[in-house]
Amino acid sequence: KAGVTQTPRYLIKTRGQQVTLSCSPISGHRSVSWYQQTPGQGLQFLFEYFSETQRNKGNFPGRFSGRQFSNSRSEMNVSTLELGDSALYLCASSPGQGSNQPQHFGDGTRLSIL
Amino acid sequence: GDSVTQMEGPVTLSEEAFLTINCTYTATGYPSLFWYVQYPGEGLQLLLKATKADDKGSNKGFEATYRKETTSFHLEKGSVQVSDSAVYFCALSLTGTASKLTFGTGTRLQVTL
Repeated sequence: KAGVTQTPRYLIKTRGQQVTLSCSPISGHRSVSWYQQTPGQGLQFLFEYFSETQRNKGNFPGRFSGRQFSNSRSEMNVSTLELGDSALYLCASSPGQGSNQPQHFGDGTRLSIL
Repeated sequence: GDSVTQMEGPVTLSEEAFLTINCTYTATGYPSLFWYVQYPGEGLQLLLKATKADDKGSNKGFEATYRKETTSFHLEKGSVQVSDSAVYFCALSLTGTASKLTFGTGTRLQVTL
């Protein structure tokens, strides 16, 4: 069974640009969550999508947005990039039902802002 | 708010030594608790989980027991190997927001020969 796939693995952008990251969940998983990992702030929850609807949202500015498609694939968009957006962005998927199911993570997209 | 506190790293051990990484939590309600491991250049892998008080999660020689009275979920392993070198994250999720994990800051483990 294929794992969570994130593309691209690495990305370099400049301040003010926008970026779109992609995540393909494990087959059959309907929930996709996004996290930002930085040395200073650690792992922080961005948002979660389930059945194409945003179900939970973390404490990030509106420049961070996402969506989910009918096949459960998800994209995350960051507009007007800032230096502080440099981070590893991790996507995780789960079946989405019940409170005990662990999330399965992809290897992440490392975004560097110049 | 909900939070997870882990012991500061790095933790450096010799191979075959005993490992303990402390984790305590603050949460409203009754969380599920997890340990994830991150190897260099990779995402997080679930190591073990526990969903209610007194549950013991175990995997690959690692164990952790959900202690409600001390709000703790300490990770232990009886004999570490060089291949266990990684960063370990303690995390919780709450009923109703199961796909929102709150993580600790992570503890780097370095095992030497």
